[in-house]
Amino acid sequence: QLQLQESGSGLVKPSQTLSLTCTVSGGSINSGGYSWNWIRQSPGKGLEWIGYIHHTESTHYNPSLKSRVTISADRSKTQFSLEMRSVTAADTAVYFCAADMRGVVRHWGQGILVTVSS
Amino acid sequence: DIQMTQSPSSLSASVGDRVTITCQTSQDISHFLNWYQQKAGKAPKLLIYDASSLETGVPSRFSGSGSGTHFTLTISSLQPEDFATYYCQQYASFGGGTKVEIK
Repeated sequence: QLQLQESGSGLVKPSQTLSLTCTVSGGSINSGGYSWNWIRQSPGKGLEWIGYIHHTESTHYNPSLKSRVTISADRSKTQFSLEMRSVTAADTAVYFCAADMRGVVRHWGQGILVTVSS
Repeated sequence: DIQMTQSPSSLSASVGDRVTITCQTSQDISHFLNWYQQKAGKAPKLLIYDASSLETGVPSRFSGSGSGTHFTLTISSLQPEDFATYYCQQYASFGGGTKVEIK
């Protein structure tokens, strides 16, 4: 059973860079067919897809965030990461890593709250 | 980008009620529509995939239908554990959510 776990800093200062890592167990991020996603949820709000990295290493980002976001994978460590630059208070959210196959998200991390504040 | 419009945004219902939530998309997505349930402080959980396929382990009171641009999630007899927020999703787009509350 695929399991995902987010880790990283829960507090980031405005204008700085948010960095999160998702560790995958019970499977490999090299597994054919999966895309490895970051999705966030601002307090009291809905779900917002940030982007994904495919097992082929191609990436795709939400156009509204594309200029500030990079998703990468460390396949030897079965981890993938999110970097979001120039954060503001509007980036305060719970960040989920998730795995989908053909757009169906069956596997989610528990989520990590990231607060942007000085 | 595909726009996903869910309705209603919230509803109040009683245990045993039949509940229907709709999701309308801005373009034809065939049957590629999924439904999730999210409880407070938890990650979303897949209920229905490909519009009408029940995910393994999900109670049969949940069902999905639709194709093209109009989709529905139905809970045939609402149970106490079903009070949650429900989202439709198609690849990178999520609906705004429907919060199901106790009447």
